[in-house]
Amino acid sequence: QKEVEQDPGPLSVPEGAIVSLNCTYSNSAFQYFMWYRQYSRKGPELLMYTYSSGNKEDGRFTAQVDKSSKYISLFIRDSQPSDSATYLCAMNTGFQKLVFGTGTRLLVSP
Amino acid sequence: GAVVSQHPSWVICKSGTSVKIECRSLDFQATTMFWYRQFPKQSLMLMATSNEGSKATYEQGVEKDKFLINHASLTLSTLTVTSAHPEDSSFYICSARDRRGPTEAFFGQGTRLTVV
Repeated sequence: QKEVEQDPGPLSVPEGAIVSLNCTYSNSAFQYFMWYRQYSRKGPELLMYTYSSGNKEDGRFTAQVDKSSKYISLFIRDSQPSDSATYLCAMNTGFQKLVFGTGTRLLVSP
Repeated sequence: GAVVSQHPSWVICKSGTSVKIECRSLDFQATTMFWYRQFPKQSLMLMATSNEGSKATYEQGVEKDKFLINHASLTLSTLTVTSAHPEDSSFYICSARDRRGPTEAFFGQGTRLTVV
C-alpha cells in the first residue's frame, strides 16, 4: 500500500463547477499537508499549505485536513478552463522529504 | 510565493556527454534542496536531498556517481548527469526549502533533458 493514495483521474467538469480533489494517507505522523498544481511540462506550483487538521481558504481554493480519517481535500469553486492541470497532494512529518500522491488530472471544459 | 529558478529549461545532448542543471533560490536561502525526476503522466520521483555544505543523500536505486549533486551555497544546487544515455532522458525538477520556514518546498520550472 502506498503511503499516499490519489485518484489519477482524469476528472472532467464543466466551467463553473465545484471541484473536489482528495488524498488519503496511512502515516498518522504526517503533520504538514500541501497541494501543488502542475501544468504540462512545468514545475509544480504551491497552492495551499496546511498544518495539522482544519480548513484553509484562499480565493477560490479551500483545503481541508481530517487527520482522524487520514483524508485531505482541495475544493475549487467556480472552476475555470485555466484550472486544467494536474493537482498533486504532498505531506510530511516535519523537516523531512515530501511524500507525493500520484496527482489527479483535472480538465475544465468551457 | 518564493521563487526558484532552474536552468536550462530544456537541453539536448549527445550520448556519452555530461549535462549540468542549476537550481537557484532567488529570494530566500535554502538549506535543503531536492532533485526529482518525472516521467510522462507520472508523479515526482525523489532522486536525492541536497544539504548546503554536505554530501547529498540519494534515494535507493539512484546512482550517485551518475547523478552528481553539489550544493555549495545557500542559494545554488547543481545536478550533473554524467555520461548521459538515452534512458536518462526525462524531466528533472528541483525544489528548495526556505531555511526559516516549516516544510513546504518551492519548485523550479523543470528541465527537459533529451539524450540523442
